[in-house]
Amino acid sequence: EAGVVQSPRYKIIEKKQPVAFWCNPISGHNTLYWYLQNLGQGPELLIRYENEEAVDDSQLPKDRFSAERLKGVDSTLKIQPAELGDSAVYLCASSLGDTPNTGELFFGEGSRLTVL
Amino acid sequence: AQSVTQLGSHVSVSEGALVLLRCNYSSSVPPYLFWYVQYPNQGLQLLLKYTTGATLVKGINGFEAEFKKSETSFHLTKPSAHMSDAAEYFCAVSGGGSNYKLTFGKGTLLTVNP
Repeated sequence: EAGVVQSPRYKIIEKKQPVAFWCNPISGHNTLYWYLQNLGQGPELLIRYENEEAVDDSQLPKDRFSAERLKGVDSTLKIQPAELGDSAVYLCASSLGDTPNTGELFFGEGSRLTVL
Repeated sequence: AQSVTQLGSHVSVSEGALVLLRCNYSSSVPPYLFWYVQYPNQGLQLLLKYTTGATLVKGINGFEAEFKKSETSFHLTKPSAHMSDAAEYFCAVSGGGSNYKLTFGKGTLLTVNP
């Protein structure tokens, strides 16, 4: 069974440029998460989807970040314009449900962003 | 509100030695607790979890953790370290229920010396 797939794995851009990350969750997983992982830190939740609905986006900086999950499967996270402080790893995860009793979170390998 | 504190950002052990990674949590509701492992250039993988029931939980690769409510701790142990255990380990807590949200600690990098 294929795991969570993310692309690109690495991205280097100039500041003020836009960037987008794509995530394909495990088939059948209705919950999808985007996490931000800064160097030396644990992952921090940016947004959580239940099917197509963003049920928790309280930590998403909405002035420059946007996300969508059309048709409740793949998801895209966009940053426009990127700032130096956005350099980090962006992790996507999926699960069968939104509670730990229904399953664990499965993480992709992450997309490492470097903003110059 | 909930939080996790991992004591020691870097732990170094010899191969065959005991591994002990410390985690303390804070939660206003009965917590669900997790340990995840991240190998270089890979995603996080669940090692083990505590939700309810037995306080000593066993996970993959010979790891186990014990939930101690009185100490608000969930330390991760393995009797004998292997070179392949070298990775970063994250403790996480959630409040469970319909407002499940996973909060991670800052991680502990485990190195295993031959």
